[in-house]
Amino acid sequence: DSGVTQTPKHLITATGQRVTLRCSPRSGDLSVYWYQQSLDQGLQFLIQYYNGEERAKGNILERFSAQQFPDLHSELNLSSLELGDSALYFCASSVASRAGELFFGEGSRLTVL
Amino acid sequence: DQQVKQNSPSLSVQEGRISILNCDYTNSMFDYFLWYKKYPAEGPTFLISISSIKDKNEDGRFTVFLNKSAKHLSLHIVPSQPGDSAVYFCAASVSQGNLIFGKGTKLSVKP
Repeated sequence: DSGVTQTPKHLITATGQRVTLRCSPRSGDLSVYWYQQSLDQGLQFLIQYYNGEERAKGNILERFSAQQFPDLHSELNLSSLELGDSALYFCASSVASRAGELFFGEGSRLTVL
Repeated sequence: DQQVKQNSPSLSVQEGRISILNCDYTNSMFDYFLWYKKYPAEGPTFLISISSIKDKNEDGRFTVFLNKSAKHLSLHIVPSQPGDSAVYFCAASVSQGNLIFGKGTKLSVKP
């Protein structure tokens, strides 16, 4: 158990819909990272928050947004969903603002039909 | 453009033998490298790392080798055990910034 909690574990929705994925980092970790893993792809970095502020942005679509709340949990919002958004979405956390060793949650599997 | 490449999607080895997983990178600015292991239905877990100032780091059965001139690193598992069967991801970063991952290599260790 990494200490990082992600909900929901599975989500099935239709094209055009909007979903929210939630992540609670390990106790004491200030940084939260979101990664997307599509079929046969590696982990693609989406976005990082550190202590409530956006720290770095990767290949995140404009239809996607995220935030980190004062209690340090984070949410990833995916809107106007397309079939190609079907993927595993991982949240990871670390103590510092620099990545180093990341602790990953079990992921949220999103299926868009 | 893939900055971190794991060219072997899968690898099968016999229990007790050595497993060698390879990773190539293109960005010469990378100075920190990590290996993660992932079991089905679980998130990736950190395995071992190496800084660019070193060429080898060892932790029990796991050793990572870094060849900066070739922009290549490898993970050696000796001896391999059935429980090592998983997908292994290579990752790299610049100044411990965001991690760039390869696509992974699925290792199967047969009893």
